[in-house]
Amino acid sequence: QVQLVESGGGVVQPGGSLRLSCATSGFTFSKSYMHWVRQAPGKGLEWVAFIRDDGVAIYYADSVEGRFTISRDNSENMLFLQMNSLRPDDTAVYYCAKEPPARDLDHWGQGTLVTVS
Amino acid sequence: QAGLTQPPSVSEALRQTATVTCTGNSDNVGGQGAAWLQQHQGQPPKLLWYRDNTRPSGISERFSASRSGNKASLTITGLQPEDEADYYCSAWDDSLNAWLFGGGTRLTV
Repeated sequence: QVQLVESGGGVVQPGGSLRLSCATSGFTFSKSYMHWVRQAPGKGLEWVAFIRDDGVAIYYADSVEGRFTISRDNSENMLFLQMNSLRPDDTAVYYCAKEPPARDLDHWGQGTLVTVS
Repeated sequence: QAGLTQPPSVSEALRQTATVTCTGNSDNVGGQGAAWLQQHQGQPPKLLWYRDNTRPSGISERFSASRSGNKASLTITGLQPEDEADYYCSAWDDSLNAWLFGGGTRLTV
């Protein structure tokens, strides 16, 4: 079955960096669009970044543009999020989610908590 | 980036019908429709409804959705205690090149 497992979260000081990973299995990763979505404590969902199956098309939310970088390794079925210049308002659970091309975010991981303090 | 607008809360009685609304514009909901997700406390979101008006495998037929112009609606019939959760609409915005979420609606049964 489809599995997405995030890792790399933790506590970091403001201005610091973290790299999140999402290990995937159970579907054709190389043909799937992928997203990072976050959820601050007690708040709603906020989309963070998108990467197309070929890695060519990439989009970011305004709130992270220039600080975060999404990437993927299709040979390893892995998704990444490099987060730099972290701020306290980046504190959230970060989810990776897959999207069959031009459909919707149909499977989500359990999330990894990032705390900037 | 602007989001999609949902009511913060909806409350309905057991075995009744609840409707959650989501308002966007022609660049998102009006153009491509809205998907719907359910999130229980402490759990990741789960997709309930695709933008193309289909239900994912394994989702109860008590969940359905519709759209009229820039407004989408999720309807849950025969409410059960396990339906108590947060519900989010989502849509791709062609103008912003961004995925948008509504603010979420807390359903109380």
